[in-house]
Amino acid sequence: AQSVTQLGSHVSVSEGALVLLRCNYSSSVPPYLFWYVQYPNQGLQLLLKYTSAATLVKGINGFEAEFKKSETSFHLTKPSAHMSDAAEYFCAVSDERGSYIPTFGRGTSLIVHP
Amino acid sequence: DGGITQSPKYLFRKEGQNVTLSCEQNLNHDAMYWYRQDPGQGLRLIYYSQIVNDFQKGDIAEGYSVSREKKESFPLTVTSAQKNPTAFYLCASSGGPGQINQPQHFGDGTRLSIL
Repeated sequence: AQSVTQLGSHVSVSEGALVLLRCNYSSSVPPYLFWYVQYPNQGLQLLLKYTSAATLVKGINGFEAEFKKSETSFHLTKPSAHMSDAAEYFCAVSDERGSYIPTFGRGTSLIVHP
Repeated sequence: DGGITQSPKYLFRKEGQNVTLSCEQNLNHDAMYWYRQDPGQGLRLIYYSQIVNDFQKGDIAEGYSVSREKKESFPLTVTSAQKNPTAFYLCASSGGPGQINQPQHFGDGTRLSIL
């Protein structure tokens, strides 16, 4: 069965610093991978997706993620954090064996300090 | 603009009462989903439907029921059998079969509380 692990329930950075949110997945077949962002009292919005094309995926708001099959990872990065990046971030995986129903990680709360 | 509309935004339930959460989409998506979100637990799948008049239980279906009579609509009923219904409920849709790598679109959620 597919699964997702997000290391760190909270990540704290200073404004202008590098953002790194970690995601490791488990899938016995080629996965589809997604990162979503959630602001308070709202639904999730797609940041970016990996669907077996380029391993480095660029998303909205300056975020990007790299698919590393050997490490079963799909970490999310942004070179310079803004205050507006403070939110909850979710990694999700889907694959054929799971009927393409996504499995979500528990989320990482990004805190940005001035 | 296409999207998913959830209503109401806030809902209160009395003991022994059933309540229904509405979810409507105009994205022409085949698949629809209901998730429950609790702090620190991420999203847990309650029910999903990949085609009209068919739906499947997710990981935490006990105490919930759904229907899918129209492509655009996927209402969720929280029954009195659900003993801990206080949570944030999210509805989502995606293209469905034949569009397997497409991400989900989410509504803005309904927050359900016990009176």
